[in-house]
Order: sequence, then structure tokens, then C-alpha cells
Amino acid sequence: AQSVTQPDIHITVSEGASLELRCNYSYGATPYLFWYVQSPGQGLQLLLKYFSGDTLVQGIKGFEAEFKRSQSSFNLRKPSVHWSDAAEYFCAVSGPGNQFYFGTGTSLTVIP
Amino acid sequence: GAVVSQHPSRVICKSGTSVKIECRSLDFQATTMFWYRQFPKQSLMLMATSNEGSKATYEQGVEKDKFLINHASLTLSTLTVTSAHPEDSSFYICSASPWPNTEAFFGQGTRLTVV
Repeated sequence: AQSVTQPDIHITVSEGASLELRCNYSYGATPYLFWYVQSPGQGLQLLLKYFSGDTLVQGIKGFEAEFKRSQSSFNLRKPSVHWSDAAEYFCAVSGPGNQFYFGTGTSLTVIP
Repeated sequence: GAVVSQHPSRVICKSGTSVKIECRSLDFQATTMFWYRQFPKQSLMLMATSNEGSKATYEQGVEKDKFLINHASLTLSTLTVTSAHPEDSSFYICSASPWPNTEAFFGQGTRLTVV
């Protein structure tokens, strides 16, 4: 069965510092992987996605993620965090019918 | 990109009443749509798969008689929360894709509060 694990429930970083959010997945076939961001009371915004090809994918707002099949991971990174990046981040894997399975989310706090 | 619209964005209803939430694909046809539920400060959980012209497929533990799903056209799926109770208060969000095995596009979500 598909599942996604985000080990970090909450992360606090200083503005300007680098960021890495961890994501591990379990999926029987080649996974389609996604990172979404959700601001309080809002819907989901797609940051980036991986389907195939280059394992380092670039997304919006300066985010990138690296797919590592050997580690079943798809960690999200940003070299320099901005205060506006404070939000909830969800990693997800999609099944063959386009249904999504989300991780439990990581809440990011950015301190000045 | 494709656009999925959800309505209403917020709804407050009295306990015991029913509430209908609409999910529309605005610029593509979707034979399948998905409904998710998110409790406060928790992740999104897949509730059901809405299939155009046929019965929805519900995830384990989801009461199909409480959460009625109708997918009457290729651009519209509705979720009706019947006899709502305060524990049904949650954030409901739908998704759809114009193509198989690609990204999904999410609606803006509906915040349901049952008082």
C-alpha cells in the first residue's frame, strides 16, 4: 500500500537559513511524488512534482527536491528561507488512478 | 494549468441538516474526482473516489450513507454531508485531473462548521 512519512512535525528556522524537509514514501511501482504548501485556512499549492527523469526537480518559490530511489526519499530544500515561507508542507504520492496519499505534514515557522 | 473550483468556500449549518459541496472542473472533463477531508492541524485523508456515471468508491471507515457523492456530469461532482453533526466539522477538498497518471488539481476547499 502507498504511504508517505514526514518525520518532522514542526521545524523552526531563521530567515535566510537553509531548509530541508524530509519525506519518505512507500510505493510498489515508480512513484509520482509531490510537494504542496498550505497556508492557514487555504487550499493546496503545488510546489513541485516528480514523475521521471532528472532526480533533482526545481519548483516554484526557489524550492527544489531530490528523488532518491535507494532511500525512498523525496526531500524538499530551499537555500534561503523567507518569512513568507511559513506554512504547512505536505509530501504526497499519487496512485495509478490519480488519488493522492499525503504525509502528515510539516509545519514551518520562520523566525526573524 | 487546469482549474478546479469548489463551492462554497465556507459554510455553517445546524446540527441535523444536510450540506452540499460542489466541485467543478472548469476547463477540462474529469471522469474521476476525489474528495479529501482535513481535520485541524492534520493531514488530508482520501475519503472517496467519485466516478462519473457510476457509484463512488469509499475508503475504509468512511460512511457512504453520511457522505453522499454524486458525479452526474464530466465537470461536476457533489459531496453531501447528511444529517451533519459537530464532529463532521472539517475542511473538505476535492481534486481532479485532465489526464491519468499526472498531477491532480485541487479545489480551494470548503470549511464546514456544524453548530
